[in-house]
Amino acid sequence: EAGVAQSPRYKIIEKRQSVAFWCNPISGHATLYWYQQILGQGPKLLIQFQNNGVVDDSQLPKDRFSAERLKGVDSTLKIQPAKLEDSAVYLCASSRRTGGARAISYEQYFGPGTRLTVT
Amino acid sequence: QQPVQSPQAVILREGEDAVINCSSSKALYSVHWYRQKHGEAPVFLMILLKGGEQKGHDKISASFNEKKQQSSLYLTASQLSYSGTYFCGTEEVANSGYALNFGKGTSLLVTP
Repeated sequence: EAGVAQSPRYKIIEKRQSVAFWCNPISGHATLYWYQQILGQGPKLLIQFQNNGVVDDSQLPKDRFSAERLKGVDSTLKIQPAKLEDSAVYLCASSRRTGGARAISYEQYFGPGTRLTVT
Repeated sequence: QQPVQSPQAVILREGEDAVINCSSSKALYSVHWYRQKHGEAPVFLMILLKGGEQKGHDKISASFNEKKQQSSLYLTASQLSYSGTYFCGTEEVANSGYALNFGKGTSLLVTP
């Protein structure tokens, strides 16, 4: 089974420029997440999609960040304009349902991430 | 709400055991454990669902005390390959089905 694919792996931009990241989830995974991971910290959710609908974007800085998931498969995350504090690794994850009749949860699988440096 | 992990860092010799704890002030539905090596993506280790179930994977096991909203990850007879940062991700009962809240991580170094 192919894993979550992301591109680019690395990106260096100047502040106020724009940047876009792409993610292709594991085939058949309906749920897709974008996380921001700042050095030394755990991943922080930016946005969660279920198929092509948004489930949670409460922590997405909507004045500069946007995301879409076309046809419920691939997704893009955009930052415009970028700030210095946006320097981080942007992780995409997808999930499948696990558990039995009593309890259900979702195992998440992460892509390799995009390391963004804003100068 | 972000769970609290302890300890922040651990240094072990190969073959020693370690325990990493994760606690939350919110009622939890599930706890997920991940290991992340430097410069790589987090790798899924295991998930514990509400019900106090204990799971294991090779020499790594975990428990979930839903009454205390705590989970512990047990690494037995540690190997060099266990080095990395361990994150717990919690799914709250109130937000079941939503994304995980991750702790700040526990850095584990296993030395020869």
